[in-house]
Amino acid sequence: DVKVTQSSRYLVKRTGEKVFLECVQDMDHENMFWYRQDPGLGLRLIYFSYDVKMKEKGDIPEGYSVSREKKERFSLILESASTNQTSMYLCASSSPSGTSGYEQYFGPGTRLTVT
Amino acid sequence: EDQVTQSPEALRLQEGESSSLNCSYTVSGLRGLFWYRQDPGKGPEFLFTLYSAGEEKEKERLKATLTKKESFLHITAPKPEDSATYLCAASGAGSYQLTFGKGTKLSVIP
Repeated sequence: DVKVTQSSRYLVKRTGEKVFLECVQDMDHENMFWYRQDPGLGLRLIYFSYDVKMKEKGDIPEGYSVSREKKERFSLILESASTNQTSMYLCASSSPSGTSGYEQYFGPGTRLTVT
Repeated sequence: EDQVTQSPEALRLQEGESSSLNCSYTVSGLRGLFWYRQDPGKGPEFLFTLYSAGEEKEKERLKATLTKKESFLHITAPKPEDSATYLCAASGAGSYQLTFGKGTKLSVIP
């Protein structure tokens, strides 16, 4: 079974702090994604990565950056946390294999509160 | 621009009352149509991938079907443990990204 893990289930940070969210997958997937999920807005893509050291902006990259130094690990960084970044953060991975529809497998999520 | 629209936003069923959830999509060169289940406070759990019109997949009380414009998630004789938000997503040609709908929140009342 595919397993995607995230470093924290719940996190409380203060405005202006630098925040690191980490994601690890154990299926040797090439693609990794970071989303945030808010009531009424659904899932919104922040950043994604097709390969080690590669990154692409999603729909809402402002205020965020990412790092992918190893294939299995994808980190989301909030450079200076703000209250409007309070949200559920979800990491996902997928593999562009020939028989795959590119389905994504999600981690359990990190509920981040910025006060 | 790819779009995925789910209806209804919320559905309340009595235990045993079968129904369907709808997912309409506009995607250039559909590569796959995906269904997920999400419980409160948790990440989405992958259920099905459908690749082409006419395809059907089943898992317990759930059956997903696909046409050229829509997908349906049929729930037969639901139980309270089927209560969750069901998300639909699609991927188009040349893209690894998924476009998600906003989900249908299903409540099954004993």
